[in-house]
Amino acid sequence: QVQLVESGGGVVQPGRSLRLSCAASGFNLSSYGMHWVRQAPGKGLGWVAVIWYDGSNKYYADSVKGRFTISRDNSKNTLYLQMNSLRAEDTAVYYCARDRSGSSSRSLDYWGLGALVTVSS
Amino acid sequence: DIQMTQSPSSLSASIGDRVTITCRASQGINNFLAWFQQKPGKAPKSLIYAASSLQSGVPSKFSGSGSGTDFTLTITSLQPEDFATYYCQQYYTYPQTFGGGTKVEIK
Repeated sequence: QVQLVESGGGVVQPGRSLRLSCAASGFNLSSYGMHWVRQAPGKGLGWVAVIWYDGSNKYYADSVKGRFTISRDNSKNTLYLQMNSLRAEDTAVYYCARDRSGSSSRSLDYWGLGALVTVSS
Repeated sequence: DIQMTQSPSSLSASIGDRVTITCRASQGINNFLAWFQQKPGKAPKSLIYAASSLQSGVPSKFSGSGSGTDFTLTITSLQPEDFATYYCQQYYTYPQTFGGGTKVEIK
């Protein structure tokens, strides 16, 4: 069955960096686009970034553009989110999610359990 | 960016009720609209995609409709496990955007 497991969350000081990983199993990661979505404590869902199946295209929310980088290693069945220059407002649970398509999005079908990132001094 | 507006933001309903949630896009998105269910402390779960297509394994009590800018999610015969927060999301263009959510509570 499809499984997505995030790791790498934790507490980090403002201005520092953190890298999240999302380990995929139960399907061929190299065939699917992958997203990161976040949820601040007590708030709604916010889309963060997407990467196409082969890494050829990446798109970001304006709030993270220039600070966050989405990447993937299909040989390791793993998705990444490199987060630099972190701010207090980046505090959230970060979910990885699979797109139904490899390229042009056809919405998200499977989600990971999430990883909590807390930005605080 | 396309703004997604859900209404109501919360509602109270009884077991067995039929519930309708609406989602409006700030510009036309064809049928590139999905619905998700989220329970406290859990990851979101896909319910509906392409405005009206049911995710595999989701019961037919959930249905979606609409196209362009106006969409609805209907839940028939509400059961205890349906009390949750529901989100719409447009994937017509990037950045993808979510509605603010509708919390369905027990009356």
